[in-house]
Amino acid sequence: NAGVTQTPKFRILKIGQSMTLQCAQDMNHNYMYWYRQDPGMGLKLIYYSVGAGITDKGEVPNGYNVSRSTTEDFPLRLELAAPSQTSVYFCASSDLGDRVNTGELFFGEGSRLTVL
Amino acid sequence: GNSVTQMEGPVTLSEEAFLTINCTYTATGYPSLFWYVQYPGEGLQLLLKATKADDKGSNKGFEATYRKETTSFHLEKGSVQVSDSAVYFCALSQEIWGAGTKLIIKP
Repeated sequence: NAGVTQTPKFRILKIGQSMTLQCAQDMNHNYMYWYRQDPGMGLKLIYYSVGAGITDKGEVPNGYNVSRSTTEDFPLRLELAAPSQTSVYFCASSDLGDRVNTGELFFGEGSRLTVL
Repeated sequence: GNSVTQMEGPVTLSEEAFLTINCTYTATGYPSLFWYVQYPGEGLQLLLKATKADDKGSNKGFEATYRKETTSFHLEKGSVQVSDSAVYFCALSQEIWGAGTKLIIKP
């Protein structure tokens, strides 16, 4: 019962470095999402995908890129890391809903990123 | 615009106490409302939801009623256990999220 798997769990980056957060789900869900959670704040949607080959921006997409070449995988790329990107990142998947609506979201355990 | 306001934590209670975690919202239209829970070291999990006014969501002894007249979706449980210690998130249509309320239950 793997569900949604995120790697790495923790990472420290220097300003200007690049990295990819990996996300994989084994539930055959069409919909996948990336959120970030800053201290004391609610989740903010970064990008989402309604199926392989289709991605779209959420509320806070600047500084990030995504791709969805398969149903299972939805990696999040940070090209030039900045201190403002220090956050906890959550990947989620769902089998219902157009965007993030009434379908239950299944979350990974989160990836804590620090940019120094 | 749409927003969700959740009670600040941490909330500390003794085992078997009554729990209320407040959640109020502002929204246009008729959004669905959700409570998610995050146990230590795990991802968020759906706890309960309500899709229209006066609906009551319930799960694991927790309940929340969608109150349109007071724009609220407060989470309640009659008798909490140590195992309920977690962070609880209120969400509006799973697009707008509260900041989370940490609940600590002492034996």
